Amino acid sequence: DTGVSQDPRHKITKRGQNVTFRCDPISEHNRLYWYRQTLGQGPEFLTYFQNEAQLEKSRLLSDRFSAERPKGSFSTLEIQRTEQGDSAMYLCASSPMTSGVTGELFFGEGSRLTVL
Amino acid sequence: AQSVSQHNHHVILSEAASLELGCNYSYGGTVNLFWYVQYPGQHLQLLLKYFSGDPLVKGIKGFEAEFIKSKFSFNLRKPSVQWSDTAEYFCAVNAPPSGTYKYIFGTGTRLKVLA
Repeated sequence: DTGVSQDPRHKITKRGQNVTFRCDPISEHNRLYWYRQTLGQGPEFLTYFQNEAQLEKSRLLSDRFSAERPKGSFSTLEIQRTEQGDSAMYLCASSPMTSGVTGELFFGEGSRLTVL
Repeated sequence: AQSVSQHNHHVILSEAASLELGCNYSYGGTVNLFWYVQYPGQHLQLLLKYFSGDPLVKGIKGFEAEFIKSKFSFNLRKPSVQWSDTAEYFCAVNAPPSGTYKYIFGTGTRLKVLA
């Protein structure tokens, strides 16, 4: 399967712990996006990368959240000192730069976080 | 700031009924518009998109959408729904002249089609 891959698919943690999610985009895709989705809501933009550069970051992304894409391939999203309000599905998507802004986002299955 | 509104949160239809889901966006400049679908247990996937040209766009599985610039709308339609169309539908927008490649999504419409 050559789609967007996310790991882990499910994570249960206690409040105050740190968690990290990994996303492997489709191999030729230069842009990588992180979104958060809670029940009854649409995907909320968190951040996106073009190659290894983080070009935009939402105000939703507090100081406890950090994302990296060190070699322009896979990306990690870390949440430090988790809170119950962080419980959500974290979605990764990728897009080829050649498609410009009209291109399709290819989504992964998501990583579901539950903070107890 | 850009935003997307989907007014119908839940829609229940019988098979063969016609479907129209509303989507309005708030941005005065040039926009690209998308409809995504999420079938139960699956990831989000693109149904159709509009970026220029004919404002009536056709997508997969018999869906179409019409861009009406004067109304800031991009409503999704299907003449005759099937049970397999049961899913959640999301409208999305991006605005390239603003210099961002960020996509903004609406809150979604959950469609249930009764067999």
